Amino acid sequence: DVKVTQSSRYLVKRTGEKVFLECVQDMDHENMFWYRQDPGLGLRLIYFSYDVKMKEKGDIPEGYSVSREKKERFSLILESASTNQTSMYLCASSSPGYEQFFGPGTRLTVL
Amino acid sequence: AQSVSQHNHHVILSEAASLELGCNYSYGGTVNLFWYVQYPGQHLQLLLKYFSGDPLVKGIKGFEAEFIKSKFSFNLRKPSVQWSDTAEYFCAVNGDNTDKLIFGTGTRLQVFP
Repeated sequence: DVKVTQSSRYLVKRTGEKVFLECVQDMDHENMFWYRQDPGLGLRLIYFSYDVKMKEKGDIPEGYSVSREKKERFSLILESASTNQTSMYLCASSSPGYEQFFGPGTRLTVL
Repeated sequence: AQSVSQHNHHVILSEAASLELGCNYSYGGTVNLFWYVQYPGQHLQLLLKYFSGDPLVKGIKGFEAEFIKSKFSFNLRKPSVQWSDTAEYFCAVNGDNTDKLIFGTGTRLQVFP
């Protein structure tokens, strides 16, 4: 069974803090994705990676960066958290041409 | 740019009622189409997918969807819903030989016993 895990289910941070969200997949997938999910807006792609050290901006990359040093791990970084980054963050992985598998999500609150 | 529209934002049904959730996309090329479901407190999971072939696709838990290319639609159907189908449903599409998905805004389904 494909497993995508995220480091925290809930996270509370203060404005201006640097925040790291970690995602690990165990199916040797080439692709990994970071989305944010907001009510009424669906899922919006922040960044994705199609190989180690490779990344591509999604639809809403501003205020975020990513790191993929190992195939199984994809990190989302908020350099200086702001209140408008309060959201549910979802990680996903896939093989090229196949469906994406999602993690349980991290609900981030920025105070 | 590609986009996906789900016109039903919130649907309320009684058990045993039939369900149809609309999904329209804007892209003229070859597309792959997906429906994902998110049950309360659970992660997003694949309900069904269309890549090619028979435009009527059957998924898990009795769901099906029909790809109508001329209408740019991929509507989700179930003949008789159950209380356990209460969830949020997302339509998604990719094309342009990319693995990036474009999601609709989701439809919240509530089924009452």
